[in-house]
Amino acid sequence: DTGVSQNPRHKITKRGQNVTFRCDPISEHNRLYWYRQTLGQGPEFLTYFQNEAQLEKSRLLSDRFSAERPKGSFSTLEIQRTEQGDSAMYLCASSTRTSGAVNTGELFFGEGSRLTVL
Amino acid sequence: KQEVTQIPAALSVPEGENLVLNCSFTDSAIYNLQWFRQDPGKGLTSLLLIQSSQREQTSGRLNASLDKSSGRSTLYIAASQPGDSATYLCAVSGAGSYQLTFGKGTKLSVIP
Repeated sequence: DTGVSQNPRHKITKRGQNVTFRCDPISEHNRLYWYRQTLGQGPEFLTYFQNEAQLEKSRLLSDRFSAERPKGSFSTLEIQRTEQGDSAMYLCASSTRTSGAVNTGELFFGEGSRLTVL
Repeated sequence: KQEVTQIPAALSVPEGENLVLNCSFTDSAIYNLQWFRQDPGKGLTSLLLIQSSQREQTSGRLNASLDKSSGRSTLYIAASQPGDSATYLCAVSGAGSYQLTFGKGTKLSVIP
């Protein structure tokens, strides 16, 4: 068990460029979450997958953001036409599913991908 | 809309002291509550998970309590060590929702 892995750890880009982040969850976990965290704030929920299905999206996830989880394994978060306000730490988390229950699993977070938009 | 508040925002204590971090939430209809630790520039490490039906959880020198009816949780750290220095975050999940709502955290500094 190597934990949740996120790549790249740091990304610096110019405004208007597209960026993509990858998250590899813990292997037996079927739930995967994306959060965004800015300096001095707690993480904010972006979206949630159970297996390959995207079940919940925050209103924070504008049309420029898209997330996928093909085959229910790794996930990607793409930001198109980046803006300076997109600069943040993007955190991925995964958890196990307990039969018949909602969100009872402990969340395990990765180290995050820090985005800086110039 | 659920709101989570953590007090104090920052705390500095001498090594060896026992301390309490506070978390309050506005909607008592939660499913569970988690405490996390975050080191600078790093991800979150889960410390304790309390289900809504539970009153407390313990792990080593850490003890977390939950009073759902009053919308409060506390994280007690016994015999603090410099290695405990970090930001501690409280988060709650609502019934029927998969998302966690986080507080802004308490930045703890333990002075040797």
